[in-house]
Order: sequence, then C-alpha cells, then structure tokens
Amino acid sequence: ETGVTQTPRHLVMGMTNKKSLKCEQHLGHNAMYWYKQSAKKPLELMFVYSLEERVENNSVPSRFSPECPNSSHLFLHLHTLQPEDSALYLCASSQELVGREQFFGPGTRLTVL
Amino acid sequence: DAKTTQPPSMDCAEGRAANLPCNHSTISGNEYVYWYRQIHSQGPQYIIHGLKNNETNEMASLIITEDRKSSTLILPHATLRDTAVYYCIVRVNSGGGADGLTFGKGTHLIIQP
Repeated sequence: ETGVTQTPRHLVMGMTNKKSLKCEQHLGHNAMYWYKQSAKKPLELMFVYSLEERVENNSVPSRFSPECPNSSHLFLHLHTLQPEDSALYLCASSQELVGREQFFGPGTRLTVL
Repeated sequence: DAKTTQPPSMDCAEGRAANLPCNHSTISGNEYVYWYRQIHSQGPQYIIHGLKNNETNEMASLIITEDRKSSTLILPHATLRDTAVYYCIVRVNSGGGADGLTFGKGTHLIIQP
C-alpha cells in the first residue's frame, strides 16, 4: 500500500466510449503524474501537475485529457481511443521542495476494443 | 537527465546478495542516482537514491563509484519477492518544481529458489 489509489483497476472500452480514470493520493503531496506503460515498452511520462497546475504535457494526443481538481485527486478522461492505447496507466505523486521520490499507484489496465 | 545503461536480465540465488550494475558515464555534478523496481503488473516502487556517498536503507545499499560514472544496487539477502524489473535513473534533485521520471528498460532480476 503506497498511499496512492487508482480506480478502476481494469477497464475495457470501445473506441467510441468515454471513460475516466481516477487517482487519489493520501500522502499530502503537491505534485501528481500520469504515466503509460505499453507492452514491452518503458514507462512513458504523459502529464505532470504541480500545485494543481499542469507543468508538462509530453505530446500526448488530445483524446487523453487530464484534470486535477485539487492536490489529492487526478483524473484522466478518455474519448475515442484507439486499440494501440491499450496499456497500463499509472498515477504517481511526490512532494516537491522536500524529496523527489515518487509514489506510484497500482495502475489501471486499459483494453480498447 | 543523463542516460543509463543496465543489463537486460540477471539471475540470483535466493538468500544470496544481488548486485545490479548501472552505467551513467554522462552524469552531471548535480544529478542523483535513483533506483526503482517494478514487480509484475504493479506500479514502480522507490528503493533508494544517492549523490556520491554510499547509501543504505532497509531495502538495499547503493554503491556509487568515486568518478560517479557507475553504481551498484545491492540487495543483501535476495528473496523470491525481489523478482522484479529494476530501474536505474539519474536526475536532478533540485528544490523546486516537479518533473517526471525517465525510465529505461531496466534489469529483469530473477531470484532462483
């Protein structure tokens, strides 16, 4: 248990569906991250939020839309995804200005049909 | 962040010390060496980090060469639960801002019974 929870743990969706992934951290951190891990590929950073402001967007397609309503919650809204978007989506948090370790959630396994 | 090189896989007998090498010959003076691991289908887990002195915590020891061009992560008494992919990452540990981690392919450590 890392203090970072993600829901749902598994999600199957069609290409025309709209769904959202949720991440919640119980660590009092002020930075949150979305990563994508496709099969047999390294983890890729998608988005970074610091103090609820997006500070990095790694050329992610617009069909992925992040939202950070407060420092404890992070969402990833999904629409019109492609089968190649099937992957493990990981959320992480850290406390900036203090330490740089990131704490990861268990991930959401997404399958796009 | 500087690039790292790790062997793709390693075996270690249960109960023995597992020594995982990492080369980071282009590391800058203000970059730290971080180690994370990822057990199958889980989120990555922080292990340890250091700048130039050797570090030890309850999970592992980190040995950094004097020229800082390479390091070794040591798991002193490996157990089957230590089977995972281990990532060596070098990054700046400045006080401000938030930035994501750049993961490589890591080393797949397999602990043999």
